[in-house]
Amino acid sequence: QVQLQQSGPGLVKASQTLSLTCAISGDSVSSNSAAWHWIRQSPSRGLEWLGRTYYRSRWYYDYALSLQSRISINPDTSKNQFSLHLNSVTPEDTAVYFCVRDRYCRGGTCYSGGNFDYWGQGTLVTVSS
Amino acid sequence: DIQLTQSPSFLSASVGDRVTITCRASQGISSSLAWYQQKPGKAPKLLIYDASTLQSGVPSRFSGGGSGTEFTLTISSLQPEDFATYYCQQLNSYPLYTFGQGTKLEIK
Repeated sequence: QVQLQQSGPGLVKASQTLSLTCAISGDSVSSNSAAWHWIRQSPSRGLEWLGRTYYRSRWYYDYALSLQSRISINPDTSKNQFSLHLNSVTPEDTAVYFCVRDRYCRGGTCYSGGNFDYWGQGTLVTVSS
Repeated sequence: DIQLTQSPSFLSASVGDRVTITCRASQGISSSLAWYQQKPGKAPKLLIYDASTLQSGVPSRFSGGGSGTEFTLTISSLQPEDFATYYCQQLNSYPLYTFGQGTKLEIK
């Protein structure tokens, strides 16, 4: 059974960096049939996709266009986890943040393609001004 | 960006009712749509992918349909545990995934 366990501070000051970690059990961050995402949720913006990383002979990274200058997602194969770093935060970045696995299977073969089948427990991050 | 609009935003129904939620895309997305269920304080749960394929472990009273720009999620006979908020999500413009605004299903 796959489990994603999130950790990180719930309060960050404006202009600083938000950092969260997602520890994976039951799968590998280096899996060649999964991708690993961060998604956030707030009353004003709803569910918002932030970015992903995945391994297919090398590491790939994709980020939401609106956040590209401030975000990085980093895998850590030694600890089987991945992290989110969002710098220069403002109160607009206040949200519940989720780490998510993306994997689905069809005809006996598994892929990543945007179907989010396992989620972390969520971390409420408040940005104080 | 592809926009998704769900209707209705709020739905009041009774146990045993059949309900349908609609999700409309701002442009054609083939069958690249998923549905999620979210309960208060919990993460969303994947119900359906590829517009109509039931995720493993999801009860068969849930079904999805549609393609192109119009999609539906139907619950054939509401159970008490089904009262939650439901979201659609498009996968067509990967990796710029977007979600609908949600439909809150409440007990009448």
